[in-house]
Parts: sequence; C-alpha cells; structure tokens
Amino acid sequence: DAGVIQSPRHEVTEMGQEVTLRCKPISGHDYLFWYRQTMMRGLELLIYFNNNVPIDDSGMPEDRFSAKMPNASFSNLKIQPSEPRDSAVYFCASSPGTGGTGELFFGEGSRLTVL
Amino acid sequence: KQEVTQIPAALSVPEGENLVLNCSFTDSAIYNLQWFRQDPGKGLTSLLLIQSSQREQTSGRLNASLDKSSGRSTLYIAASQPGDSATYLCAPNRDDKIIFGKGTRLHILP
Repeated sequence: DAGVIQSPRHEVTEMGQEVTLRCKPISGHDYLFWYRQTMMRGLELLIYFNNNVPIDDSGMPEDRFSAKMPNASFSNLKIQPSEPRDSAVYFCASSPGTGGTGELFFGEGSRLTVL
Repeated sequence: KQEVTQIPAALSVPEGENLVLNCSFTDSAIYNLQWFRQDPGKGLTSLLLIQSSQREQTSGRLNASLDKSSGRSTLYIAASQPGDSATYLCAPNRDDKIIFGKGTRLHILP
C-alpha cells in the first residue's frame, strides 16, 4: 500500500486566501484524523472521522476551518480565510479502527505558510 | 479531557547508553497507547502499539510498557545509537480520540 498521501506538501499563500489540504487514507482504514503541529502547541487533534462521518470536531480552532470526507478514499481540510497564525504543518492519519485497537499511520504532512 | 505529559522534554546522552522516556496521561480508560518517532521535517513513524490488555511490547532494542491504572507508559531504548536521535511521542487512544504529548527530543552523542 502507498500509505497515507497528502497534498500539497508545501503551500505558501497570502492572508485572506482560501487554502485546501487533501488526504487519501490507506485503503480499508475506517478512521481518518487531521492534526496540526506547531512548535508552541505540539500536535493538536483538529477533527476525526469514522466511516466518513465526523465524530469529534472540537479541536477545530474556528469557523474558518472546515473538513469533509465525501468518500472513504478522500478528505479535505479547508481554511477560509487564512491567517498568518494558521501557519503550521498539517498531518492526516488513518487507522483500521475496529473498536479502537488499530494502529495509527501518518502522512508526510502539508507545510502551510500564510504571509 | 485527556492530557498527556512527556518527561523529559529533551535528553542528550552518549552513544551506547540505555535510556527511558516517560509518558503520563490523565484519563486511564484507554483502548491502547502508541509510541512514535519523528525526524526533523518529517511525518510520524509508529514504533510500538500496546493494547490496554497488555503490559509491554518489544521491537528490537525498543521496549514499551504500560501501566494503565496509574496512567503511565515508558519507552526503553537499549544500547542507544546516533541514528536514534529524533523526537519521540506517545499517544493514548481514549474512545478513538488520539491525543499526543509534546514529545521528548532525544540527541545521541557519537
């Protein structure tokens, strides 16, 4: 399997622009997670899905952030409008789940810089 | 709300030493706990997964233990090597919500 695939790997944008980050989980995995990593705050869980349904989005920082999973092989995270404080590395991860006993696998991350 | 603490935050040791990294979590009703390694500028690589019913897991020079009742896990690295230099993170799974500690930044001196 190719693993969790994220795109783009790097994104530089200007404040106010819309940003879309994409994730393809490992085939057959029922859980998908979005995390944000910064030096100050470490890895923060933003939202996670089970069978394409959002389960917990309490970590989404503001209404500017939204995430969807239209099917089992794709999810996106949108930031609109973007702000400089959104600059971070955004990771997607997937897990086979099965009652919570599954191992978590990460993508390489999308490094976002908002100027 | 689950809170995860990793001690120490940073550690530098000479090559060849055995070392222990600590992880504590506030909510002990977890399904499992996973240890990861992260190299600078890279994603996270899974090292070990311990189920709630297990006490420890081993992989090569790595051994992770879990004491669920006290909310603690340790990662033991035997005979450390310069290639072990990285940040190590623990992540307990509570109701499928996986929260990370801030990690221990490890530097092995040649």
